[in-house]
Amino acid sequence: GENVEQHPSTLSVQEGDSAVIKCTYSDSASNYFPWYKQELGKGPQLIIDIRSNVGEKKDQRIAVTLNKTAKHFSLHITETQPEDSAVYFCAARGSGSARQLTFGSGTQLTVLP
Amino acid sequence: ETGVTQTPRHLVMGMTNKKSLKCEQHLGHNAMYWYKQSAKKPLELMFVYSLEERVENNSVPSRFSPECPNSSHLFLHLHTLQPEDSALYLCASSQDDGRGSKAFFGQGTRLTVV
Repeated sequence: GENVEQHPSTLSVQEGDSAVIKCTYSDSASNYFPWYKQELGKGPQLIIDIRSNVGEKKDQRIAVTLNKTAKHFSLHITETQPEDSAVYFCAARGSGSARQLTFGSGTQLTVLP
Repeated sequence: ETGVTQTPRHLVMGMTNKKSLKCEQHLGHNAMYWYKQSAKKPLELMFVYSLEERVENNSVPSRFSPECPNSSHLFLHLHTLQPEDSALYLCASSQDDGRGSKAFFGQGTRLTVV
């Protein structure tokens, strides 16, 4: 089955700086890669996603890049703000099931004012 | 608000109790999921229902029993749980079109087994 590794597990940045979170996946047939943000006491919220036929996608301060050859994808947050502080999860949808997402272990991002 | 509502938000139960978690989605999706989220571990998929039929069951102990009476509602029936079952239980829904689509999560039920 699919295996997703996520790094780093914790990340602290100064407000205004950029943050990058990286994930690798094992199933070369995976074709869908979402990113979720989870704030304390809440469920994960989809913030951006990318399909395997696209190399990069951007939405305001958030961007995701995908390298299919290397089987890794990254989340980039620019001009970070304190409200960006949360746990971020990457996920991949493998070829075994069109429905099942495999999640990374999460990154606790702290934006210091 | 994601359109996926879970109740209760918090639940404390003894190991001999029977309780149920409820999930309702207002997005018109045809697939619903139960995930378990434990501290320091990735989200674990427990069950998948597509068009009200259970299509995946990831080796979950029988003390967890799902029920999907229609495409908008999903339940997780709990009985004789163990302390290690304490976790955040998350429900999600998506439109299952065969190639994967966005999954939306509820707020979760924080379960504590004492």
